[in-house]
Amino acid sequence: EVQLSESGGGLVQPGGSLRLSCAASGITFTTDAMTWVRQAPGKGLEWVSGISGSSITTYYADSVKGRFTISRDNSKNMLYLQMNSLRAEDTAVYYCAKGLGFFGYWGQGTLVTVSS
Amino acid sequence: DIQMTQSPSTLSASVGDRVTITCRASQSISSWLAWYQQKPGKAPNLLIYKASSLESGVPSRFSGSGSGTEFTLTISSLQPDDFATYYCQHYNSYSHITFGHGTKVEIK
Repeated sequence: EVQLSESGGGLVQPGGSLRLSCAASGITFTTDAMTWVRQAPGKGLEWVSGISGSSITTYYADSVKGRFTISRDNSKNMLYLQMNSLRAEDTAVYYCAKGLGFFGYWGQGTLVTVSS
Repeated sequence: DIQMTQSPSTLSASVGDRVTITCRASQSISSWLAWYQQKPGKAPNLLIYKASSLESGVPSRFSGSGSGTEFTLTISSLQPDDFATYYCQHYNSYSHITFGHGTKVEIK
């Protein structure tokens, strides 16, 4: 059974940093590309970032480029999102998902709130 | 960036109705389109990929069609479990993926 489980969300002040983690099981993690998608409260879905299985290629939405860094540790089946210089508009539930194009498996999400 | 426009934003329907949701891309995306269903407090669930391919385990009452810039998601006979919000998403380029704004299917 495929399981994706995010953690690391919480309350952070504007300008602060947070690192999200996504633990994966039941998939061939070393070859599977992974993606982060977020959803602001009461709003729609927004693609954030993606990474190839080998970490050679990474992709970022313009809204987070230069502030967020996606990475992975294939030895631990873990995906990460380092978020720096956080803004109020980054407040959202962050989901990790399997794939780069379309997403057949999603985690349950972790809430990030950026507020003073 | 490619913009995805969904219509309608809200749809009121009854159990048994045939429901159609439209998604238009601002430029051609070939068939690189997916559809998701999302219920409150839950992660999205993939229904359709490559415009018309049904994801494994998804009921056959869901179908997708279209190519280029215009796409549709059809529910042939709406069931109580189908009241949810539906999103289209293009993946024409892995570096600029965008979702539509969603269509909420409500009970009439």
